[in-house]
Amino acid sequence: KAGVTQTPRYLIKTRGQQVTLSCSPISGHRSVSWYQQTPGQGLQFLFEYFSETQRNKGNFPGRFSGRQFSNSRSEMNVSTLELGDSALYLCASATRGVGTEAFFGQGTRLTVV
Amino acid sequence: AQSVTQLDSHVSVSEGTPVLLRCNYSSSYSPSLFWYVQHPNKGLQLLLKYTSAATLVKGINGFEAEFKKSETSFHLTKPSAHMSDAAEYFCVVSLSTDSWGKFQFGAGTQVVVTP
Repeated sequence: KAGVTQTPRYLIKTRGQQVTLSCSPISGHRSVSWYQQTPGQGLQFLFEYFSETQRNKGNFPGRFSGRQFSNSRSEMNVSTLELGDSALYLCASATRGVGTEAFFGQGTRLTVV
Repeated sequence: AQSVTQLDSHVSVSEGTPVLLRCNYSSSYSPSLFWYVQHPNKGLQLLLKYTSAATLVKGINGFEAEFKKSETSFHLTKPSAHMSDAAEYFCVVSLSTDSWGKFQFGAGTQVVVTP
């Protein structure tokens, strides 16, 4: 069974640009969540999608958005990039439910210059 | 509100000696708790989880954790460290009983294993 796939693995963007990251969950998993990992802030929750609807949202500005498609694949978009957006972005998928664990992808390393 | 505190940012152990990673949580109701490991340039891998069944939870690679409600702790242990255990470890609490996916991560504990 294939794991969670994130593309691309690495990205370099310029301040002010926008970026789209992609996540393909494990087959059968309908919940996808996104996390930002930085050395200073650690791992922070961005948002979760289930059945194409955003179910939870973290404390990030509106420049961070996402969506989920009918096949459960998800994209995350960051507009007007800032230097502070440089981070490892991790996607996780699950079957959803209390106590169910998340399965993480290897992440997309975004560098904003 | 729920939160999780990892009491040690770095732990250094010798190969073959026990490992103890400490985690305290706060929760207004019975939490779901997890330990994940992250090796360099890799994603997060689940070691074990607690979901109100047995308080002593066994995970992969010889790790186990004990849920102690009275102490609000969920410490991770391994009897004998291996070089491959060098990684960063995260204690995680699930933030809601009616909504999955909003995990609260601890700050992480970097484990160094010396020969």
